[in-house]
This record gives sequence, structure tokens and C-alpha cells, in this order.
Amino acid sequence: QKEVEQNSGPLSVPEGAIASLNCTYSDRGSQSFFWYRQYSGKSPELIMFIYSNGDKEDGRFTAQLNKASQYVSLLIRDSQPSDSATYLCAVNIYFGNEKLTFGTGTRLTIIP
Amino acid sequence: GAVVSQHPSWVICKSGTSVKIECRSLDFQATTMFWYRQFPKQSLMLMATSNEGSKATYEQGVEKDKFLINHASLTLSTLTVTSAHPEDSSFYICSATNEGDSYEQYFGPGTRLTVT
Repeated sequence: QKEVEQNSGPLSVPEGAIASLNCTYSDRGSQSFFWYRQYSGKSPELIMFIYSNGDKEDGRFTAQLNKASQYVSLLIRDSQPSDSATYLCAVNIYFGNEKLTFGTGTRLTIIP
Repeated sequence: GAVVSQHPSWVICKSGTSVKIECRSLDFQATTMFWYRQFPKQSLMLMATSNEGSKATYEQGVEKDKFLINHASLTLSTLTVTSAHPEDSSFYICSATNEGDSYEQYFGPGTRLTVT
């Protein structure tokens, strides 16, 4: 079983709609969770991180964490064409260790 | 703040030669730097973790004699791909963590290596 799993997509969402990206992880002791956006040919850029159960909002982005279900999601409201990218979920599995384990990424396309 | 640079941004080399890639934290001291490799349409795979002044910790399956990592200062780490072969062609990305903010990794822009 992969440590961090994401649906590879592609996920197509109309402009202005909500895009929902999901990620599951296998290690119940995982501590912190990150969402990165990666445009083609570029390196990842951090969108959000979340440590505690519940929702965390930042502008059009909301991260949701459910540790009991070992599930983290990213919602993008009012999707824009510029949101078209691959979204990587990353998990910090070992407490006190900065190492991140990445999922394979979900390719998101916003349709104008 | 928290800017990481990489040099070169792309490099083409002949099979059998060595290539050095630099990773610098420009406005902070990086306690730890990470080196990743990413093949087309795949995710980031961690190659090694390096801390200033100590030997790098390599992930399983990564040849430490082929991928030499030196972390000489709190702002500079280098990755040398020795005796490069076409299968080493990939996108190499470094990241760094800030001494005061250890959970967030700041990524460099990446280096595209092509071995002919």
C-alpha cells in the first residue's frame, strides 16, 4: 500500500465551480499535511498546510483534515483557469523529522 | 523571504561525465536540505536529506557513490551526478527548511538534466 495516495486524474472542473482534491495516507501517526501546486516544468509551490482536524481556509482554498479516516482534502472555490496544474499532497509522517512523503499528484484542468 | 535558488536551471551533458547542481538558501539559514528527483508525469521522489556539516542520508535505492551530496554551509548544498547516463536524465529539485520553521519546505526552481 502506498503511503500517500491521490487520484491521478485528470480532473476537469468548469471555471467558477468548486474543485475537490482528495488524499489518503496510511500511517496513522502522521503529523502534518501539505498541499503543493506544481505547474508543468516548474517546481512545487506551497498552497496550504494543516496540522489539526477540521477545516483551514485561506482565500479560495480550504484544506480539510480527518485523522480518524486518514484523509485530507483541498477545496478550491471559484476555480480559475490559472488553477490548472498538478496538485501534490505531502505528509510529514515522522514527528520531529522534516521529511515529506508525496503522493503522485492530481492533474486539475479548469475549463473556461 | 524563504527563497531557494538552484544553478544551473538546465544542463545537457554527455554520458560518462559528471554534473554538479547547486542549491542555495538566499535569505535564511537552512538547517536541512532535501534533494528530489522527478521523472515526467511522476511525483517527487526523495533522494537524500542533508544537514550542514554531516553526511547526507540517502533513501533506499539511491546510490550514494553516484549522487554525491555536499552540504558545506547553512546556505549551500550541492548534488553531483557522477558518470551520468541517459537514465539519469530528470528534473532535480532541492528544498530547504528554515531553522525557525522546520515543517515547511521551500523549493528551488529545479534543474533539468539531460544526458546524451
